[in-house]
Amino acid sequence: QKEVEQNSGPLSVPEGAIASLNCTYSDRGSQSFFWYRQYSGKSPELIMFIYSNGDKEDGRFTAQLNKASQYVSLLIRDSQPSDSATYLCAVNGWAGNQFYFGTGTSLTVIP
Amino acid sequence: EPEVTQTPSHQVTQMGQEVILRCVPISNHLYFYWYRQILGQKVEFLVSFYNNEISEKSEIFDDQFSVERPDGSNFTLKIRSTKLEDSAMYFCASRSKAGGYEQYFGPGTRLTVT
Repeated sequence: QKEVEQNSGPLSVPEGAIASLNCTYSDRGSQSFFWYRQYSGKSPELIMFIYSNGDKEDGRFTAQLNKASQYVSLLIRDSQPSDSATYLCAVNGWAGNQFYFGTGTSLTVIP
Repeated sequence: EPEVTQTPSHQVTQMGQEVILRCVPISNHLYFYWYRQILGQKVEFLVSFYNNEISEKSEIFDDQFSVERPDGSNFTLKIRSTKLEDSAMYFCASRSKAGGYEQYFGPGTRLTVT
């Protein structure tokens, strides 16, 4: 069974700090990796995707992928209260036609 | 910016009734998906659809479920005989054929089965 594991948190960081979110996955055939943000009662919103080993930066967000360790992470720099949400890690299988989601990490940014 | 839309936003139905959830994917997208999220739980894949047929489905997507693209814009999920445990948020998502595998989600339909 394909599993995506995340620390459920809650993770609390002060405003302006770096928030670090982690995710591991079980399927070595996975090829693409995504981070979604989900506010309570809302739908997942895509914030980052990464397909190759290494780092990918987009504004305050950096995604890091290590396929050998089956590990993907998300760094949020200069965290803002509006970043308070649940962050979902999603992994795409080799066929590319479905996502496996983790349970999400709840992040609270304290003003 | 184009977005996925879903109707209704909230559907209440009685156990055993049929429901149809509707989605309008982003216009140039060719892959369509349904997911569900039971309250407090993770997002779960139901089915993917491409070129007018199901590409993949999960074990959740049993004979009670069906999908259809009745015209050039709509994508529907039908639950034939709803059960209490079908109560959940149902999300439609779509992605383009070109480029990567990024999926964009609609706002969801909250289904409550009483």
